[in-house]
Amino acid sequence: GEQVEQRPPHLSVREGDSAVIICTYTDPNSYYFFWYKQEPGAGLQLLMKVFSSTEINEGQGFTVLLNKKDKQLSLNLTAAHPGDSAVYFCAVRLRGGNYKPTFGKGTSLVVHP
Amino acid sequence: GPKVLQIPSHQIIDMGQMVTLNCDPVSNHLYFYWYKQILGQQMEFLVNFYNGKVMEKSKLFKDQFSVERPDGSYFTLKIQPTALEDSAVYFCASSRPGNTLYFGEGSRLIVV
Repeated sequence: GEQVEQRPPHLSVREGDSAVIICTYTDPNSYYFFWYKQEPGAGLQLLMKVFSSTEINEGQGFTVLLNKKDKQLSLNLTAAHPGDSAVYFCAVRLRGGNYKPTFGKGTSLVVHP
Repeated sequence: GPKVLQIPSHQIIDMGQMVTLNCDPVSNHLYFYWYKQILGQQMEFLVNFYNGKVMEKSKLFKDQFSVERPDGSYFTLKIQPTALEDSAVYFCASSRPGNTLYFGEGSRLIVV
C-alpha cells in the first residue's frame, strides 16, 4: 500500500525565516494531496488541498509544491511567525471515494520570536 | 470551514469498562473515519464507514472496537472492554466522496 515519509520530524526556525517540510510518497496513482496543521490540543485544520494536475499552489504565507516525477510534496512557509508553530501533517490519497488518506508522521515546527 | 463535532472532549475511564465516543459529522458528508493519535504524533487510521458499513479497517481496529451510525445520528466508536493501550486522542473525520477529510477536535481518552 501507499507509504508516506515526512521529514524533518522536528524543525526550529527564527521568526522571518523560511521553513520547508517534505513528504515523499510511493504510489504513482496518488491523486489528492493535503497539508494539515495541528495546534496543541486541537484537531487537524486543513491548510490546502492539491490536485495531481497542479504543481504550484499558493496559500497565505506558504506555497505547496507537487513534484510528481519524484513523488514529492512540499510545504514552504515563507517568513514564518510564532503563530505558525504547530505540528504539520501531509496526507495523500488515491482517486475514488473508498480510499482513505495516508498520513505522514508529522513535523513539529517551532518558530522562535 | 465545515465543522465536525466530537463528544466528549475528554474522558477518564477504568480499564475494562466500555466507552462510546460520539461524532457529529458535516451534514452532507457520506464517508466517516476514526483515527487514533498518541502523544501528538502520527495519525493512525482505524476505520472508515460508508452507507452503514465498515469499508476498511486497520490492524489497530481490534475486536473490542465497533462503529455504527444508527438512523443518521452520531457516528460512534465503542470500545468494550477498554485496555490501557487504548489511551489516546481519537479523531473523527468526515468527507464527501473522493473529497477532503474534515476533522473534529478529538476525544482524549485516558484508561486507568
